[in-house]
Amino acid sequence: AQTVTQSQPEMSVQEAETVTLSCTYDTSESDYYLFWYKQPPSRQMILVIRQEAYKQQNATENRFSVNFQKAAKSFSLKISDSQLGDAAMYFCAYTGGGADGLTFGKGTHLIIQP
Amino acid sequence: DTEVTQTPKHLVMGMTNKKSLKCEQHMGHRAMYWYKQKAKKPPELMFVYSYEKLSINESVPSRFSPECPNSSLLNLHLHALQPEDSALYLCASSPEGQGPQNEKLFFGSGTQLSVL
Repeated sequence: AQTVTQSQPEMSVQEAETVTLSCTYDTSESDYYLFWYKQPPSRQMILVIRQEAYKQQNATENRFSVNFQKAAKSFSLKISDSQLGDAAMYFCAYTGGGADGLTFGKGTHLIIQP
Repeated sequence: DTEVTQTPKHLVMGMTNKKSLKCEQHMGHRAMYWYKQKAKKPPELMFVYSYEKLSINESVPSRFSPECPNSSLLNLHLHALQPEDSALYLCASSPEGQGPQNEKLFFGSGTQLSVL
């Protein structure tokens, strides 16, 4: 079974600075998809960024980028120029595709200090 | 329309009640999901409907019963629930069979369920 591990229960960063959230996963599959979802206090799950495992290029979405290391099974999220609205719970997630659903890590609570 | 709509937003029920949660999407997605999320925990997959075929997480008790009347609608019927079933219930959908670039889940805003 696939597992996703987030080893940082909570992170704190000053507004406008950069923060990196860590995620590792375990799978025997060669093709799969990785995601970072954001869940603010409203509890709406919002897709931040996604990575297709067969693509070597790291995904980027504006201030959000990932460092995908397939051999190490590592998938970290970098948030640049942190903003107050980035404060939320961040979940790393995995799917093998084909309506498998997502397997989530335990989450990292991100605090933005003004 | 890129939304997954869940109703109701909040539900309080007694242990002897029968109630239903509703989820709807009009994005043409052929896979729909129910997740359960306890406070400060990640979502846990309960059920998947893909092309109207059901897959069940075997740890989910039978007091939860999913129904997929058509490819746009997904219901979750609740009967004889326990207080420990109080949680946020999230519905999601995904565009199965539309290429790897479309592998992602769209989530509704959830139903916060309290069982008294």
